[in-house]
Amino acid sequence: EAGVTQSPTHLIKTRGQQATLRCSPISGHTSVYWYQQALGLGLQFLLWYDEGEERNRGNFPPRFSGRQFPNYSSELNVNALELEDSALYLCASSLGPRGSYEQYFGPGTRLTVT
Amino acid sequence: GNSVTQMEGPVTLSEEAFLTINCTYTATGYPSLFWYVQYPGEGLQLLLKATKADDKGSNKGFEATYRKETTSFHLEKGSVQVSDSAVYFCALKRANRDDKIIFGKGTRLHILP
Repeated sequence: EAGVTQSPTHLIKTRGQQATLRCSPISGHTSVYWYQQALGLGLQFLLWYDEGEERNRGNFPPRFSGRQFPNYSSELNVNALELEDSALYLCASSLGPRGSYEQYFGPGTRLTVT
Repeated sequence: GNSVTQMEGPVTLSEEAFLTINCTYTATGYPSLFWYVQYPGEGLQLLLKATKADDKGSNKGFEATYRKETTSFHLEKGSVQVSDSAVYFCALKRANRDDKIIFGKGTRLHILP
């Protein structure tokens, strides 16, 4: 069974640009979560999508947004990039809020903003 | 609010040494507790979990016991290997619709041969 996949592996952007990160969940999983792992800040929850709807978001500005498609894959968009947005962005999937507690993580997309 | 505090690293041990990484939590209700591991250049992997008080999670020689009275979930291993070098995250998840995982800041572990 394929795990959670993310693309691209690395992404280099300049300040002010937009970045789009993609995530494909494990087959059968309906929930997708996004986390930011910035240097020295640990893992911070960004967004949670389930059944195509945004269910919760962390303490991040509105320029962090995303969506979930009918096939449950997801995009994370970061507008007006700032240097401090440089981080590893991890996507996770789970069976959903009424299913298993386990979230399975992808390998991440490393975003570098110059 | 809900939070997780774990010992700061890096922790450096010799091969075959005993490992303890401390983790305490603050949460209302009855959270599930987790340890995740991140090997160099990789994403997170679930190492073990416990869903109620006094449960012991175990995997790959690692163990952690859910202690509600001390709000702790310390990670232990009796004999570490070089291949255990990684970053370890303690985490909790509330059992409600607010489905995010709350992570500690991570502890980097170096095992010397």
